[in-house]
Amino acid sequence: QSALTQPASVSGSPGQSITISCTGTSSDVGSYNLVSWYQQHPGKAPKLMIYEVSKRPSGVSNRFSGSKSGNTASLTISGLQAEDEADYYCCSYAGSSTFWVFGGGTKLTVL
Amino acid sequence: EVQLVESGGGLVQPGRSLRLSCTASGFTFGDYAMSWVRQAPGKGLEWVGFIRSKAYGGTTEYAASVKGRFTISRDDSKSIAYLQMNSLKTEDTAVYYCTRVNLLLETFDYWGQGTLVTVSS
Repeated sequence: QSALTQPASVSGSPGQSITISCTGTSSDVGSYNLVSWYQQHPGKAPKLMIYEVSKRPSGVSNRFSGSKSGNTASLTISGLQAEDEADYYCCSYAGSSTFWVFGGGTKLTVL
Repeated sequence: EVQLVESGGGLVQPGRSLRLSCTASGFTFGDYAMSWVRQAPGKGLEWVGFIRSKAYGGTTEYAASVKGRFTISRDDSKSIAYLQMNSLKTEDTAVYYCTRVNLLLETFDYWGQGTLVTVSS
């Protein structure tokens, strides 16, 4: 069982927006603004999409945005495109004992 | 361009050992912490451990599931990070990814393509 809880799947039509939640505890998500999101296409390596809750690395589309409230972080993808279909994982820093914890992943299907 | 290339995966029997390598290029390897993250077949990601840069002591940290069995080391002269895996268990079967760690942002900013380790008799 993963430390962070994500929905197993979400879906949306092209052009729509979707949001993926990531629920942790006061020891990880709730304590640090150090949540990252990774996109993984089948058979490929994960790619960093969001860091520090809401910041995008250079080259990542501004259709991807992140937020956090309490112990829950969220990834929103607007203007869905077929290429967004992938698995998405959240990750939070969890202090100098546990270090990092991941969510179980969410499969995004673009209908 | 940052590149991370893992090697050394394969089929190994339970209780045996295996060493993975991660060859880096495109950045000053010695300036960065490096980490290993694994993904069991059909499952999610799991942080395995990381090694700090020499500037931060070159010390290591591990997940509870591998502590005492796995060891991470680095050779900055060759830009290679290693994952020595001892006393392997069937539950260690996974694709092992090498990642660069941005300790200021506490994130894994670049990933290799991964190498598959299968632990089976």
